[in-house]
Amino acid sequence: EVQLVESGGGLVQPGESLRLSCAASGFTFSSYWMHWVRQAPGKGLVWVSRINSDGSSTSYADSVKGRFTISRDNAKNTLYLQMNSLRAEDTAVYYCARDRGAVTGSDAFDIWGQGTMVTVSS
Amino acid sequence: QSALTQPASVSGSPGQSITISCTGTSSDVGGYNYVSWYQQHPGKAPKLMIYEVSNRPSGVPDRFSGSKSGNTASLTISGLQAEDEADYYCSSYTSISTLVFGGGTKLTVL
Repeated sequence: EVQLVESGGGLVQPGESLRLSCAASGFTFSSYWMHWVRQAPGKGLVWVSRINSDGSSTSYADSVKGRFTISRDNAKNTLYLQMNSLRAEDTAVYYCARDRGAVTGSDAFDIWGQGTMVTVSS
Repeated sequence: QSALTQPASVSGSPGQSITISCTGTSSDVGGYNYVSWYQQHPGKAPKLMIYEVSNRPSGVPDRFSGSKSGNTASLTISGLQAEDEADYYCSSYTSISTLVFGGGTKLTVL
């Protein structure tokens, strides 16, 4: 079964750090671009970051640039999101998602994880 | 990058057709054919319904169709069914190599 499972969410104070993980299974992880998308409680979807299949190219939303770092370990079939200097406005469910475009990416997400909640509050 | 503009809500009766619009600019929707649509039921992860403006992934009913004209993309659902009631989001690639979502549209099946 093709599956993405996020972990690492939790409650942190403003200014602290957190690392999210997304374990992939059921497909050739190293062939696909991957993304992080977040959704604040009761709000819409917001794209966070993208990484290409070999990890050599990344992109970020302006709201997280310089604070968040996306990475991947293709040997472990795992995607990461390192989040530093967290703010209250980063509070959201964070989803990892597979890009359906295996070689060039197409920015269409055909497989999603169940999400992990990150709460930033003092 | 500003969010794409979607109507906050639309509604229709079973069997009817509805269309959800998604308006951007020439730097996103109008400039690229990388527009996608997602369906999200409460408490669930989103599901891809349309990619590259008008393509349906396998398993998505052909009642769902997508199109684009200028800076506005549209999702049409024909033959509305009760299970179509959900939130719908559009997304687009942008000229600065990022991605932007619309604000979301709540579809109510009357």
